Amino acid sequence: AQSVTQPDIHITVSEGASLELRCNYSYGATPYLFWYVQSPGQGLQLLLKYFSGDTLVQGIKGFEAEFKRSQSSFNLRKPSVHWSDAAEYFCAVGPQNSGGSNYKLTFGKGTLLTVNP
Amino acid sequence: DTGVSQDPRHKITKRGQNVTFRCDPISEHNRLYWYRQTLGQGPEFLTYFQNEAQLEKSRLLSDRFSAERPKGSFSTLEIQRTEQGDSAMYLCASSRTAAGELFFGEGSRLTVL
Repeated sequence: AQSVTQPDIHITVSEGASLELRCNYSYGATPYLFWYVQSPGQGLQLLLKYFSGDTLVQGIKGFEAEFKRSQSSFNLRKPSVHWSDAAEYFCAVGPQNSGGSNYKLTFGKGTLLTVNP
Repeated sequence: DTGVSQDPRHKITKRGQNVTFRCDPISEHNRLYWYRQTLGQGPEFLTYFQNEAQLEKSRLLSDRFSAERPKGSFSTLEIQRTEQGDSAMYLCASSRTAAGELFFGEGSRLTVL
């Protein structure tokens, strides 16, 4: 069964500092990979996704993530964090079914990001 | 594009009562999904619809849970004889296609006393 591990439950960074959120997955093949962000009282918003091709993917809000097959990792990065980035971040994997259906996502437990001024 | 809308946003009920949540997806999105999120956990897949057809149900969805999407537009998720373990955030999402981005609603939080 597929699974996602986000080792860090809570991370605190200073505004302007760089950020890396870790994500490791377990899956029999190459899955579809996603990062979502959830702000208090808000729904999940897709930051970026990896289906195939270039292993470094760019997303919204200045985020990027790198797929490393050898490490089964898909870490999220941002060079300079803004106070508005404070939120909970979820990594997710989806099966590469025929037709590219990504409906049955398996999420990690999330990493809560706090940004200090 | 008004986004995915869920109602009610918060429901408090007593154990044993029935509750129903409604989800209005983004118009023209033919796929609709329900997920459940408990405290400290990521969302877990419950079920999904393509138009009015319910194509898959997770084993998390016990017999007390039923979901419908009668006309391929809005969907309802009913929980009968609620238990305290049902307390969670119920998230709805929709997508235009099978490989399309999932757009999530803000969720319906259920508290069972």
